[in-house]
Amino acid sequence: LAKTTQPISMDSYEGQEVNITCSHNNIATNDYITWYQQFPSQGPRFIIQGYKTKVTNEVASLFIPADRKSSTLSLPRVSLSDTAVYYCLVVSSGGGADGLTFGKGTHLIIQP
Amino acid sequence: ETGVTQSPTHLIKTRGQQVTLRCSSQSGHNTVSWYQQALGQGPQFIFQYYREEENGRGNFPPRFSGLQFPNYSSELNVNALELDDSALYLCASSLGTGWETQYFGPGTRLLVL
Repeated sequence: LAKTTQPISMDSYEGQEVNITCSHNNIATNDYITWYQQFPSQGPRFIIQGYKTKVTNEVASLFIPADRKSSTLSLPRVSLSDTAVYYCLVVSSGGGADGLTFGKGTHLIIQP
Repeated sequence: ETGVTQSPTHLIKTRGQQVTLRCSSQSGHNTVSWYQQALGQGPQFIFQYYREEENGRGNFPPRFSGLQFPNYSSELNVNALELDDSALYLCASSLGTGWETQYFGPGTRLLVL
């Protein structure tokens, strides 16, 4: 499984755009990049997933360069409620018995 | 559509005891995965059940066991509890064994004294 590296923590302010970058140098051809969000004492929540180029949904955008060795989660106009831990994961589209591999994630703190 | 639910929300046990945690999967989902999350860490995969059979297992000892029932609900059993078993236990359901999207429950907070 591809190991991911992301910043331990980030700070920003309400109304700003926040970009969290994740590196995954050993990503395999059939792997997808997936991001989850977790609030304290809650389970992680799926945010977005992509394979290459750009994916956008109502919550975030995901940018993946051609070599797929990194990805960037973009949160537009953040609010205080976006304060959470954000996990970058590499998952195999073929399924598998190894489960989702979570790192320590990025602690995002949004200030007024 | 009912989301993933877990019970109990909190639990206190003493070392050496046994515990059973329960999970009801999201409607229509046939796969349940269990994770352990220690304080300050990301969730760690324990095992997965698909159509009542164990489909994969992480690096956890045999005293961690599970079941999945015909309605796809699931149990996690932990025998001979140790202090290090204190954690948030998360259940996630999905449709099939693809790993694209898992839907997590709120978790059970277990404290072992």
